[in-house]
Amino acid sequence: AQTVTQSQPEMSVQEAETVTLSCTYDTSESDYYLFWYKQPPSRQMILVIRQEAYKQQNATENRFSVNFQKAAKSFSLKISDSQLGDAAMYFCAYSGTYKYIFGTGTRLKVLA
Amino acid sequence: NAGVTQTPKFRVLKTGQSMTLLCAQDMNHEYMYWYRQDPGMGLRLIHYSVGEGTTAKGEVPDGYNVSRLKKQNFLLGLESAAPSQTSVYFCASVAGGPRETQYFGPGTRLLVL
Repeated sequence: AQTVTQSQPEMSVQEAETVTLSCTYDTSESDYYLFWYKQPPSRQMILVIRQEAYKQQNATENRFSVNFQKAAKSFSLKISDSQLGDAAMYFCAYSGTYKYIFGTGTRLKVLA
Repeated sequence: NAGVTQTPKFRVLKTGQSMTLLCAQDMNHEYMYWYRQDPGMGLRLIHYSVGEGTTAKGEVPDGYNVSRLKKQNFLLGLESAAPSQTSVYFCASVAGGPRETQYFGPGTRLLVL
């Protein structure tokens, strides 16, 4: 069975600084997708970034980028130039055949 | 285009009562999912559907039933609510397959006393 592990329950970053959130996963599938979702206090789940496992190039969306290490089964999220609006829960997710598996989340605090 | 909507937004139940949560999507998506979110546990899959008339069990299906009679609707039922079912419930839909982006509803907060 697939698993997703986020080992950092909480992280803090100073405004304008860079922070990296960690995610590891376990799977025997060769074709899958990985996601980072953001959940602000409003509770709405918002897609931050998506990575196809067959692509070696790391995905980037503006200030958000990933470090995808397929052999190590690692999928970390880097947030550059952190802003107050980045404060939220961040969930790493794995998607295989039919289902999505979510990690337990990392709460990011942004300090002014 | 409303996306994914959930009804109700908040509900209080007494132990043993029943209720149905409604998820509706207007994007003609094939796949739909029901999750529960509990503190420290992320989102856990309850049931899912890969198309109209089909349903399947997820990670935590006990105590819940689902139906997908119409493509746009995915209903989650609690036949006899228990305090352990106090949670926030999210519905999500995906267009053509699980490797695509999920679109989430705003969530339903359920309190079982």
